[in-house]
Amino acid sequence: GAGVSQSPSNKVTEKGKDVELRCDPISGHTALYWYRQRLGQGLEFLIYFQGNSAPDKSGLPSDRFSAERTGESVSTLTIQRTQQEDSAVYLCASSLVGGAMNTEAFFGQGTRLTVV
Amino acid sequence: AQTVTQSQPEMSVQEAETVTLSCTYDTSENNYYLFWYKQPPSRQMILVIRQEAYKQQNATENRFSVNFQKAAKSFSLKISDSQLGDTAMYFCAFLSGNTGKLIFGQGTTLQVKP
Repeated sequence: GAGVSQSPSNKVTEKGKDVELRCDPISGHTALYWYRQRLGQGLEFLIYFQGNSAPDKSGLPSDRFSAERTGESVSTLTIQRTQQEDSAVYLCASSLVGGAMNTEAFFGQGTRLTVV
Repeated sequence: AQTVTQSQPEMSVQEAETVTLSCTYDTSENNYYLFWYKQPPSRQMILVIRQEAYKQQNATENRFSVNFQKAAKSFSLKISDSQLGDTAMYFCAFLSGNTGKLIFGQGTTLQVKP
């Protein structure tokens, strides 16, 4: 696609329910990142995928959070048993090769998650 | 672990004036890249400027320039001739050349006043 696509753009869920957020990176981008952004705050690193390497999961805040990536394409971020503190915008980004020269990360518009 | 710190939560500047946003980072790596991203109210992240750590020359993109002090691990952004459209949240970011991990600072909200 032309850019990074995230769906849904907005999600309202009840506390305790599971949610799945989707990210379609730019075709050919081997690196994919997930971030959480609470209202008016910075981007909190969650997880990073690079090609077929084991993902860097060091930012996942609890075992309720998990993410998968199918090859070098779509990624899903799953939050189980959602809590009100999970309410935030979840941003996905992709880049051609993580860490290489002139690598710009391109961002999606994000999914705004509201847990009620 | 790397960290990125932006110590100015909010700043304001008059239109046409110059403003500098601060950023410091901590790393033991030698191979890395630094970025400034802009996030307007639309929420879309936009790359403003990038700097390779091995380059001593400060990067410049039109009205935007950086002051990269590698020894001090400082990477400030200067916006000259500020425009109303520059109003946004600005994020400093660190990209590891070894692992590809990309991390961000807490952000600085910049308001340009007419």
